[in-house]
Amino acid sequence: EIVLTQSPGTLSLSPGERVTLSCRASQSLHSGYLAWYQQKPGQAPRLLIYGASNRATGIPDRFSGSGSGTDFTLAISRLEPEDFAVYYCQQYDTPPWTFGQGTKVDMK
Amino acid sequence: QVQLVQSASEVKKPGSSVKISCTTSGETFRSYSLNWLRQAPGQGPEWMGDIVPIFHMANYAQRFQGRVSITADESTSTVYMELSSLRPDDTAVYFCARDYTVKAPYFEYWGQGTLVTVSS
Repeated sequence: EIVLTQSPGTLSLSPGERVTLSCRASQSLHSGYLAWYQQKPGQAPRLLIYGASNRATGIPDRFSGSGSGTDFTLAISRLEPEDFAVYYCQQYDTPPWTFGQGTKVDMK
Repeated sequence: QVQLVQSASEVKKPGSSVKISCTTSGETFRSYSLNWLRQAPGQGPEWMGDIVPIFHMANYAQRFQGRVSITADESTSTVYMELSSLRPDDTAVYFCARDYTVKAPYFEYWGQGTLVTVSS
């Protein structure tokens, strides 16, 4: 199965800062079949990005995704207070669909 | 508004089985694949399998093969996930989720989650 490795494990940042999160796949994801999610405690994950760079419905444009092959990035241009959460990547190139272990973005 | 409503939390003994339900609208039931995922404390989600409800065609992640069964009831627009031979490390929140669109297995709509605790 495809293993997704996210880095860093935790980021401590302040509102207004820019953040970039990394997701590396153990093999190439053809056609950029990668999604990003945000999860807050006690909630289901929220879809942010699919197809590596397409924002899901209602997602603010401060969120952007990029990458191809094995290396993907989620960027948040200016952190808002509601953006402090855990972020996961998910590949849907080859079943079983797999998720990374997450990056926690917490407030400094 | 797409809704996926799951059954209540369960506490089970090791070696037993659990069956969780996920009820949705007729349109979702007829038109989309529905997936089961789980999330253990402090870990990322883990995909267990999916079903095309109207065809009763299920696919399972290999690590759950033989222990998981996903079924669908058209009369109530409900899908079920049964996991057998439970172990303490099956303790997790279990989610159902709908494919974003046809053959697009990423997940915009999720159930509220069902906590399954496996403990003697």
